[in-house]
Amino acid sequence: AQKVTQAQTEISVVEKEDVTLDCVYETRDTTYYLFWYKQPPSGELVFLIRRNSFDEQNEISGRYSWNFQKSTSSFNFTITASQVVDSAVYFCALSEAVGGSNYKLTFGKGTLLTVNP
Amino acid sequence: DTGVSQDPRHKITKRGQNVTFRCDPISEHNRLYWYRQTLGQGPEFLTYFQNEAQLEKSRLLSDRFSAERPKGSFSTLEIQRTEQGDSAMYLCASSLAGAPIYEQYFGPGTRLTVT
Repeated sequence: AQKVTQAQTEISVVEKEDVTLDCVYETRDTTYYLFWYKQPPSGELVFLIRRNSFDEQNEISGRYSWNFQKSTSSFNFTITASQVVDSAVYFCALSEAVGGSNYKLTFGKGTLLTVNP
Repeated sequence: DTGVSQDPRHKITKRGQNVTFRCDPISEHNRLYWYRQTLGQGPEFLTYFQNEAQLEKSRLLSDRFSAERPKGSFSTLEIQRTEQGDSAMYLCASSLAGAPIYEQYFGPGTRLTVT
């Protein structure tokens, strides 16, 4: 069975600080996909990033970057120079790949990020 | 706006009543998913459709729950004989099917309160 663990329940930072959100996953699949979603107070889940299991290249996209390490089953997400608008619950999610097509997402419990001015 | 839409946004019902929620996916998306999210938890998968075919149902989806996607476009989720434990946010998402893997786009959710 798949499992996603986000050990940090809440994080509070001051604006402009960098913040890293941790995610550890478990799966028996050799091909899988990892995602980060943001859920602001309005409630709608917003897709942020996607990574597949056979591409461990870490990337930066604007103020977002991620560190995927298959050896430790971790998929950490960093926000550089945080802003108040980044305050939200962040979810890490794992997807199985069946026949080349994903279906259900398994989510962690989320990390509440509060960025204070 | 061409995102995923859900209706209603909020529903308050008495225990034992039936409720139905609607989801309209992004128009070109052929996969549609339902999730349930309770307070302080991540969304949990309920079921998904590819076109009109319901391809998987979670064991969370008891016999009181039924979902349909009759023409492969919008979907409905019905809960019969609601219980207080059904109180949650019901989220709908859609995606394209196939490779590469496509992300799921979520609607705003329907918050159900059972009194």
